[in-house]
Amino acid sequence: EAQVTQNPRYLITVTGKKLTVTCSQNMNHEYMSWYRQDPGLGLRQIYYSMNVEVTDKGDVPEGYKVSRKEKRNFPLILESPSPNQTSLYFCASSLFPSVSYNEQFFGPGTRLTVL
Amino acid sequence: AQTVTQSQPEMSVQEAETVTLSCTYDTSESDYYLFWYKQPPSRQMILVIRQEAYKQQNATENRFSVNFQKAAKSFSLKISDSQLGDAAMYFCAYRRTQGAQKLVFGQGTRLTINP
Repeated sequence: EAQVTQNPRYLITVTGKKLTVTCSQNMNHEYMSWYRQDPGLGLRQIYYSMNVEVTDKGDVPEGYKVSRKEKRNFPLILESPSPNQTSLYFCASSLFPSVSYNEQFFGPGTRLTVL
Repeated sequence: AQTVTQSQPEMSVQEAETVTLSCTYDTSESDYYLFWYKQPPSRQMILVIRQEAYKQQNATENRFSVNFQKAAKSFSLKISDSQLGDAAMYFCAYRRTQGAQKLVFGQGTRLTINP
């Protein structure tokens, strides 16, 4: 089954304790992206990657890191989490580049709480 | 930068009635995509409908249809014969046709269906 998976689905942690949220897709997609969802703000892009070893900042990159060593994986790293990073996180992927429309597939989301 | 605005944080409708969710956007591009996503309590992001800006005809998917007014930069979603399963958060989103695949989301509208 074609899908985007994220782990963990739920995480409660404390300020300053490094964590990684994994994202993996099995559709051979070049493009992968991370979004965070906050009430009243919708979803905002954190980082994206257009292919292996190619990553770039989105609209809200502060406090986050990413890496793209393999095409299928795109982990989100919080080196020193803070309470303002409490949010719902989504990974998404799609084919790129494209001359026609390609749907962006979303993972199931990761609910992160930083105390 | 592109922006998407949903001015209705919450809407409610009686089961079997019709409801319209509003969305406006701002862009200097002439070609782009617009989307409506549904997010039920499971938090999964589900693509409801897509509109390509170069197409004048409004997109429809079963009970879901859009009113796309390109000059006014308006993109509303009409849900006909509302069902209890339609209860969810709905997000309007924009994406450029070319280049990076970033989705720009509105703030969301929470739709309640009254039995």
